[in-house]
Amino acid sequence: GQNIDQPTEMTATEGAIVQINCTYQTSGFNGLFWYQQHAGEAPTFLSYNVLDGLEEKGRFSSFLSRSKGYSYLLLKELQMKDSASYLCAVLDSNYQLIWGAGTKLIIKP
Amino acid sequence: IAGITQAPTSQILAAGRRMTLRCTQDMRHNAMYWYRQDLGLGLRLIHYSNTAGTTGKGEVPDGYSVSRANTDDFPLTLASAVPSQTSVYFCASSDSQGSDTGELFFGEGSRLTVL
Repeated sequence: GQNIDQPTEMTATEGAIVQINCTYQTSGFNGLFWYQQHAGEAPTFLSYNVLDGLEEKGRFSSFLSRSKGYSYLLLKELQMKDSASYLCAVLDSNYQLIWGAGTKLIIKP
Repeated sequence: IAGITQAPTSQILAAGRRMTLRCTQDMRHNAMYWYRQDLGLGLRLIHYSNTAGTTGKGEVPDGYSVSRANTDDFPLTLASAVPSQTSVYFCASSDSQGSDTGELFFGEGSRLTVL
């Protein structure tokens, strides 16, 4: 079966750096997405990786290793507004998105 | 403001009743999707439509139906609601299917409670 694994919850301190990991086992691979979802709101797109390596976008970076079935989202200079759930999703060989359950990130002052 | 509009935002429904969740987008996206989101689970695809006039079944289609008469509208119908359909429902769209980033744009969600 297809599976996306990410930690259920993480806690970090304002101003610090946090890395949220995502491992996947899917039938084929056509890209990996990270979405941010604040409580009670809709998910919003953060990043897309299809090739190995690091993609940087401001305070957020996303890394992909296809050979290891692994990705991480790196958040720097954490702000209280970064408290949210972070969803990892993989586009499989049928171009269907397989979603992880999400990682709830709690930022403490 | 361009985007996706869902209605209703929230609804409490008696089991056995019929319910239609509405979804309208003004971005002229070809592809549209309905997901349900339950605590501890990832988003699960109910039905999708790659273009107007076509629909397909997702991971959890039973008990739900959709139609895509035009590009903008993609309603989701529960013919006879059951308590297990209590969930938050998200409609989404994308301007590509199976190519480049395929970023999804989501509506604000419809919280449905079936008693």
